[in-house]
Amino acid sequence: ETGVTQSPTHLIKTRGQQVTLRCSSQSGHNTVSWYQQALGQGPQFIFQYYREEENGRGNFPPRFSGLQFPNYSSELNVNALELDDSALYLCASSLLGGSNTGELFFGEGSRLTVL
Amino acid sequence: ILNVEQSPQSLHVQEGDSTNFTCSFPSSNFYALHWYRWETAKSPEALFVMTLNGDEKKKGRISATLNTKEGYSYLYIKGSQPEDSATYLCASGGAGNMLTFGGGTRLMVKP
Repeated sequence: ETGVTQSPTHLIKTRGQQVTLRCSSQSGHNTVSWYQQALGQGPQFIFQYYREEENGRGNFPPRFSGLQFPNYSSELNVNALELDDSALYLCASSLLGGSNTGELFFGEGSRLTVL
Repeated sequence: ILNVEQSPQSLHVQEGDSTNFTCSFPSSNFYALHWYRWETAKSPEALFVMTLNGDEKKKGRISATLNTKEGYSYLYIKGSQPEDSATYLCASGGAGNMLTFGGGTRLMVKP
């Protein structure tokens, strides 16, 4: 068990709707990253938050946005949902700085289906 | 190599067989190479984070090697067991722990 929890575990939306996914990071971690895993592919980096600021972003459009809260939990928001947004969304927490190993601690993911 | 690539995509072995998978990654601007194990309906779990050329790491029956100059890493499993069945992901990492993953190798071990 990593201590990273995500909600909801499954959800179904229709094209054009908006969705918010939530992540509670592992105690003591200051960084949250979000990844999208489409069927048959490896996880793709969406963005990372560190100290409540976006710290890096992958090749995803602006309709993918996020937040990190003072308790280091995080939200991923996706606007104007498209069919191709159907995927498993993974949240991962880590500790930046110090003598950390750099490994990520993942949640079990939120599976989004867009109809 | 521009992306992280893993081979094979899937692998079926018998219990007791030893096996290995390959991860290829861009060798320029290398920072770290991660291996994760992902069992169905669970979360990916870190196996190794490797940073030094020639590094070898071991955890039980699983070991990994790293060649940063040519951009590849091997993961070895000795005497595979059914509980080793999982998808094994490798990822190239930057200083901010932002990872580029390969597509994974799905291992199935038959009793």
